[in-house]
Amino acid sequence: AAGVIQSPRHLIKEKRETATLKCYPIPRHDTVYWYQQGPGQDPQFLISFYEKMQSDKGSIPDRFSAQQFSDYHSELNMSSLELGDSALYFCASSPRGGNTGELFFGEGSRLTVL
Amino acid sequence: DAKTTQPNSMESNEEEPVHLPCNHSTISGTDYIHWYRQLPSQGPEYVIHGLTSNVNNRMASLAIAEDRKSSTLILHRATLRDAAVYYCILRDNYGQNFVFGPGTRLSVLP
Repeated sequence: AAGVIQSPRHLIKEKRETATLKCYPIPRHDTVYWYQQGPGQDPQFLISFYEKMQSDKGSIPDRFSAQQFSDYHSELNMSSLELGDSALYFCASSPRGGNTGELFFGEGSRLTVL
Repeated sequence: DAKTTQPNSMESNEEEPVHLPCNHSTISGTDYIHWYRQLPSQGPEYVIHGLTSNVNNRMASLAIAEDRKSSTLILHRATLRDAAVYYCILRDNYGQNFVFGPGTRLSVLP
């Protein structure tokens, strides 16, 4: 079965550069979530989208922005990168606005900021 | 969001049952109890969820206390592949995000 696809899987950037992570949800899933997981930490919720509209916002820095497109894929844009942005970024998708109670996570994109 | 409390870590022997407890004394009437787990270097994975009644699926069972202030995730026969961090999360169906708090790191010994 198709899973959540994230790209790139690995990304290395310098401080103050920008980065874009992409997420392709499972077909017919209308809700996308972004999480950030620093080394040794629990996943932290950043932002979510339902039917291309932002539905909830967590601890996403102002330097980050995200959107969901008409084909339901989502992109997380990160600017003015800092060393502390080095983390695993997970995308998850869910059908029916997330009301099924089950999120399907991708394998993550590992961002390293040097 | 209502908070949950879980042991930091637990150990189990392979092929034995594992009972992972979760306390959620401030749970509201509309909160569902969700369990996710995260294997090393992987994204979180859904395990099970329920509201009031006990639930079973192919991965695990969820036992919910009658007053709903606690629940227990039961792995009937632990395997080495079950070694992971297990998260107990409360979320109502009107909420949009899952808040991952400190979970329980389960070690399975051969």
